[in-house]
Amino acid sequence: GENVEQHPSTLSVQEGDSAVIKCTYSDSASNYFPWYKQELGKRPQLIIDIRSNVGEKKDQRIAVTLNKTAKHFSLHITETQPEDSAVYFCAASPLGNEKLTFGTGTRLTIIP
Amino acid sequence: SAVISQKPSRDICQRGTSLTIQCQVDSQVTMMFWYRQQPGQSLTLIATANQGSEATYESGFVIDKFPISRPNLTFSTLTVSNMSPEDSSIYLCSVERAAGGNIQYFGAGTRLSVL
Repeated sequence: GENVEQHPSTLSVQEGDSAVIKCTYSDSASNYFPWYKQELGKRPQLIIDIRSNVGEKKDQRIAVTLNKTAKHFSLHITETQPEDSAVYFCAASPLGNEKLTFGTGTRLTIIP
Repeated sequence: SAVISQKPSRDICQRGTSLTIQCQVDSQVTMMFWYRQQPGQSLTLIATANQGSEATYESGFVIDKFPISRPNLTFSTLTVSNMSPEDSSIYLCSVERAAGGNIQYFGAGTRLSVL
C-alpha cells in the first residue's frame, strides 16, 4: 500500500518569513495530493490540493509543488501570519482509489 | 464543500461498554469514511462505509470491534465496541461528494475517553 513520509515534524518560523513542508510517497500510481490544516481541537480543513497532471498550484500565500519523478510534493506558505500556526498534514491517493493515506504531520509555529 | 454533523462531540465511557457515533451530511455523497486520530498523531483510516453493503476495513481494524452502518447516502454510524482505554482517541468521519474526485471533507470529530 501507499506510504507517505512528512518532514519536518515541527517547524518554527518568524512571522513574515516562508515555511516549507515536504512529503514523499511510495506508490507511483498516486495521482492526488491534498494538504490539510488542523488547528487545535478542530477538524482537518483542506487548504490546497494538486493532481499529477500539474507541477505547481498556487492560492494566494499557499502553493504546492509536485515532482512525480522523485515522488515528492511540498507545501509552501509565504508571508506567514500567526493564524498559520497549526498542524499540517499531507496525503496521497492512488488513481482509481478513493482512500487517502496521510503523512505524520508538521506542527508549524509562527513566532510574532 | 459539505455540511457534516457528527455526534456526540465528546464522551467519557466505561471500559467494556460500546459507543455509537453518528455522521450526517446535508446532501447525498458517494463515499463516507471513518478515521481514528490518536492524541498528537496523524489520521488513520478505519474503514470505508459502503451504502447498502458491508464496510471495507483497513488492516488492523475488524468489524466486530468497529461495526459500521450506512443505511443511505447521507448517514453513517461507527460503533466502538467493548471499549478499553486504548480506544481513547478522536474519531472522525469524512465524505467525498463525487466519485473520482478524491476530495474529502471532515466532520468535527468525536473525542472519546475510556476509563
